[in-house]
Amino acid sequence: AQSVTQLGSHVSVSEGALVLLRCNYSSSVPPYLFWYVQYPNQGLQLLLKYTSAATLVKGINGFEAEFKKSETSFHLTKPSAHMSDAAEYFCAVSVTGGFKTIFGAGTRLFVKA
Amino acid sequence: TAGITQAPTSQILAAGRSMTLRCTQDMRHNAMYWYRQDLGLGLRLIHYSNTAGTTGKGEVPDGYSVSRANTDDFPLTLASAVPSQTSVYFCASSVSGYNEQFFGPGTRLTVL
Repeated sequence: AQSVTQLGSHVSVSEGALVLLRCNYSSSVPPYLFWYVQYPNQGLQLLLKYTSAATLVKGINGFEAEFKKSETSFHLTKPSAHMSDAAEYFCAVSVTGGFKTIFGAGTRLFVKA
Repeated sequence: TAGITQAPTSQILAAGRSMTLRCTQDMRHNAMYWYRQDLGLGLRLIHYSNTAGTTGKGEVPDGYSVSRANTDDFPLTLASAVPSQTSVYFCASSVSGYNEQFFGPGTRLTVL
């Protein structure tokens, strides 16, 4: 079975500061890993995904994430936060041949001017 | 293309009444899903379908039913609504069960 844990339900950063959102996963087989973003009153949209190719994955809006098998982590980073990054972010895990994706509880990112 | 559409956008429903939330995708995806999103609880899977004609139960299926008569449509029915079903409901689809999912805009349901 797979599971995912997002550390911190809320993260606050200043505009221009580094964004780091933490995600740890559990999977008995090689996982697929995803980060989704949800803006207010909208559905989720894919930021980036890891599917066993390069361990450093680049996504939209300047975000990237690094798959670290030894740490079972897939943390999301962005060098410089913009006000428009304020949203909720979800980490998710699935496996090849599986039929469900497991979502984390979400981390709400606040960006201060 | 429209991607995934959901209807209605929002609804206020009296307890005990029935309602069907509609979901349609135009991407010919095999898999479709229904989630509910509640503050502090994240996304919880209600029901899913890996292909037309098959459905399965998710994490919180009680009080809900689904059907998948064709590839494009995946309606969610509440037979007798209760206040605890007040939530935002999202429909999603993916090429297969383990690929990235595409989400609809959501339906905000209030049961009084």
